[in-house]
Amino acid sequence: AQSVTQLGSHVSVSEGALVLLRCNYSSSVPPYLFWYVQYPNQGLQLLLKYTTGATLVKGINGFEAEFKKSETSFHLTKPSAHMSDAAEYFCAVSPNDYKLSFGAGTTVTVRA
Amino acid sequence: DAGVTQSPTHLIKTRGQQVTLRCSPKSGHDTVSWYQQALGQGPQFIFQYYEEEERQRGNFPDRFSGHQFPNYSSELNVNALLLGDSALYLCASSADVEQYFGPGTRLTVT
Repeated sequence: AQSVTQLGSHVSVSEGALVLLRCNYSSSVPPYLFWYVQYPNQGLQLLLKYTTGATLVKGINGFEAEFKKSETSFHLTKPSAHMSDAAEYFCAVSPNDYKLSFGAGTTVTVRA
Repeated sequence: DAGVTQSPTHLIKTRGQQVTLRCSPKSGHDTVSWYQQALGQGPQFIFQYYEEEERQRGNFPDRFSGHQFPNYSSELNVNALLLGDSALYLCASSADVEQYFGPGTRLTVT
């Protein structure tokens, strides 16, 4: 079985500051890992994904994440927050191309 | 290229009623998954359809059923609605490991 833990349900950052969202997973097999973003009253948009290969993954809107197998982590970062980054972020894990198991989400607010 | 589309956008039903939600996948995608997202929570996997068959199912009761048509579009049916079924229902389509989500259908059960 797979599960995802997102540390911190709310994160508040100043505009221009580093954004760091933490995600730890448990999986019985090497998983595929994803970060999605959800804006109010909208569906989920894929930010980035890790399947195989390079452990540092770059995504859209300046986000990146690093897969650390020894720590079972897949933390999301962005060097400089923008007001438009205010949204809910979900980490997800999949053992194959079937179901996604999501974390509870982290709400990001950006202070001017 | 249209992405994943879902209908209706919003729906209000009464306890005990039945509801059907619809999803059209992104062009070129043959797999459709359904998720339930309760307020303030992450999406929960309901089931996935591939080649008109249910390929995998999450921990949802039999009141939740689905169908996939030859054109890969899909329906989610929920019978005997409960207040706890109020949620955003998300459809996702895929051709490989990456799932693309629609905007969702907001179901309110009163």
